[in-house]
Amino acid sequence: GAVVSQHPSWVICKSGTSVKIECRSLDFQATTMFWYRQFPKQSLMLMATSNEGSKATYEQGVEKDKFLINHASLTLSTLTVTSAHPEDSSFYICSARDRDFYEQYFGPGTRLTVT
Amino acid sequence: GENVEQHPSTLSVQEGDSAVIKCTYSDSASNYFPWYKQELGKRPQLIIDIRSNVGEKKDQRIAVTLNKTAKHFSLHITETQPEDSAVYFCAASIAGSARQLTFGSGTQLTVLP
Repeated sequence: GAVVSQHPSWVICKSGTSVKIECRSLDFQATTMFWYRQFPKQSLMLMATSNEGSKATYEQGVEKDKFLINHASLTLSTLTVTSAHPEDSSFYICSARDRDFYEQYFGPGTRLTVT
Repeated sequence: GENVEQHPSTLSVQEGDSAVIKCTYSDSASNYFPWYKQELGKRPQLIIDIRSNVGEKKDQRIAVTLNKTAKHFSLHITETQPEDSAVYFCAASIAGSARQLTFGSGTQLTVLP
């Protein structure tokens, strides 16, 4: 149990375009989802926290107009990187948590390359 | 906010030896401390966790200890095997509705055959 999927697993896009990444909890209700960014050889940095049906809470330094997060249902959250630039190239990972549990379950990640 | 420091950043051990990774946290309100193993290009996988009402937890070759007074916790891996080679992250979570995780900087563990 506790499976989180993420799509796509990798994407290459041109500078200035937008990219949408989906995160789904497959066998549990994810009351809270988290989005992380991980640069090579670095740790996971939390970008934002989203609760189903409400606006995401962004960490300091993360532009909410650039990284649009939608958590419309208990099983799906999306991250849209708008007007992507090469410096946005990174590994984006989502995780999900059920209200009643401490554990976060991670998706497999999305490798974004902006050319 | 919470700050988690992790040491060492790299660790090489001979197969069969033990490995210890240490973390300290800053916020005494933190009450959940998971450890993750991440292989290159893959998702972090939870390997063990501990809550603040417990001082030690074991799962086969892996153990975690927590010292709330000193605000540090450690991962112990015994009888290491080459497949234990990976990056290990500690994390801390403060009690509350969201329970965001703050991650340490990671430890690259290499087990030499």
